[in-house]
Amino acid sequence: NAGVTQTPKFQVLKTGQSMTLQCAQDMNHNSMYWYRQDPGMGLRLIYYSASEGTTDKGEVPNGYNVSRLNKREFSLRLESAAPSQTSVYFCASSEQADTQYFGPGTRLTVL
Amino acid sequence: ELKVEQNPLFLSMQEGKNYTIYCNYSTTSDRLYWYRQDPGKSLESLFVLLSNGAVKQEGRLMASLDTKARLSTLHITAAVHDLSATYFCAVDIPPNTGNQFYFGTGTSLTVIP
Repeated sequence: NAGVTQTPKFQVLKTGQSMTLQCAQDMNHNSMYWYRQDPGMGLRLIYYSASEGTTDKGEVPNGYNVSRLNKREFSLRLESAAPSQTSVYFCASSEQADTQYFGPGTRLTVL
Repeated sequence: ELKVEQNPLFLSMQEGKNYTIYCNYSTTSDRLYWYRQDPGKSLESLFVLLSNGAVKQEGRLMASLDTKARLSTLHITAAVHDLSATYFCAVDIPPNTGNQFYFGTGTSLTVIP
């Protein structure tokens, strides 16, 4: 039982490049989330998916897109990376309003 | 605008001492979540408080929820070095749906031997 897994763990991009962050969970949870964590700002929700086939914007969605590929997988795409997107990205899953389980994170640097 | 505010933001305390971290939130919610994050690591769930008056304890940590005051506390008893971490509280919007979780900015706790 791996819980929530994320790939890659680290990534360096140049401004304007694109990339997709992958997330998968094996707990059969309906809800999945993408957050970014910046120093002094806690975690901010980018997008969430309450169930397979649905996605909704969170607090800071600009510059990102998501895909809920199936119940297990929820990916986050940066179409044209900007330095302001340098951050640590966490994926999480939960069963409705129960506690969230977080992945190990992806450290992204945009030069 | 929803606000989740924690204080203090930074806390340095000696081993063996007691202290309380406060979490205030600006919206109606029956649930409150506490998480712990070690440096460079992910977040780990500590407590889910499900209703007004809820109290949960795990080792030297005890969390409580007052939904009328929109306040949760995380009390640390006889701190030990292993409790050094950043602690976050969070609420979900709309309440009890698990749709959007809003986190406080965190309290960075350092326990000094």
